[in-house]
Amino acid sequence: GAGVSQSPRYKVAKRGQDVALRCDPISGHVSLFWYQQALGQGPEFLTYFQNEAQLDKSGLPSDRFFAERPEGSVSTLKIQRTQQEDSAVYLCASRQGRVNQPQHFGDGTRLSIL
Amino acid sequence: AQTVTQSQPEMSVQEAETVTLSCTYDTSESDYYLFWYKQPPSRQMILVIRQEAYKQQNATENRFSVNFQKAAKSFSLKISDSQLGDAAMYFCAYGETQGGSEKLVFGKGTKLTVNP
Repeated sequence: GAGVSQSPRYKVAKRGQDVALRCDPISGHVSLFWYQQALGQGPEFLTYFQNEAQLDKSGLPSDRFFAERPEGSVSTLKIQRTQQEDSAVYLCASRQGRVNQPQHFGDGTRLSIL
Repeated sequence: AQTVTQSQPEMSVQEAETVTLSCTYDTSESDYYLFWYKQPPSRQMILVIRQEAYKQQNATENRFSVNFQKAAKSFSLKISDSQLGDAAMYFCAYGETQGGSEKLVFGKGTKLTVNP
């Protein structure tokens, strides 16, 4: 079946602009995660949803970052008033309900802030 | 907080040879999961192998196997009969089982080069 789909694949924005990144999880996957991956680093956790409930947002770096999953399927990560340090690859992952199941990742969105 | 350390930023191996990638982690939990993910230049993280901490038997998936040493908090990945397609970044990741965030904590990765 289809994997996790993220769009856009690349996004360039000027500093101060708002951006929205989309994630379409694998159908039926209850859990959805967002990670930020800086160049040459491992992914770092941003936030986690179980269905439409955001159960953990401890990794969001500032109040400029906001994520939602209103119907328990597609999720959007929004970054307001972007800054250069927001430049990174943003990865989305989804997982079936059980915690011992692996997370399946999308191809990511590479965000570049000029 | 849990941490994952991969002490080898880069490794290289000859095609058809065996290579071992190291990973150590720090946790006070007794039950957890460990994963190795592969990330080729296309960026998609692909699961290679996983290990449940309560299982003593080391996980194996075809040419990939792990050496899980729970007391030493070590989780190394062995790749046998290396192939050109194995070239990628490899990330070790730790996941809690319950009671806390269900996030994965990743190491910084090891870049594996496979020489023909």
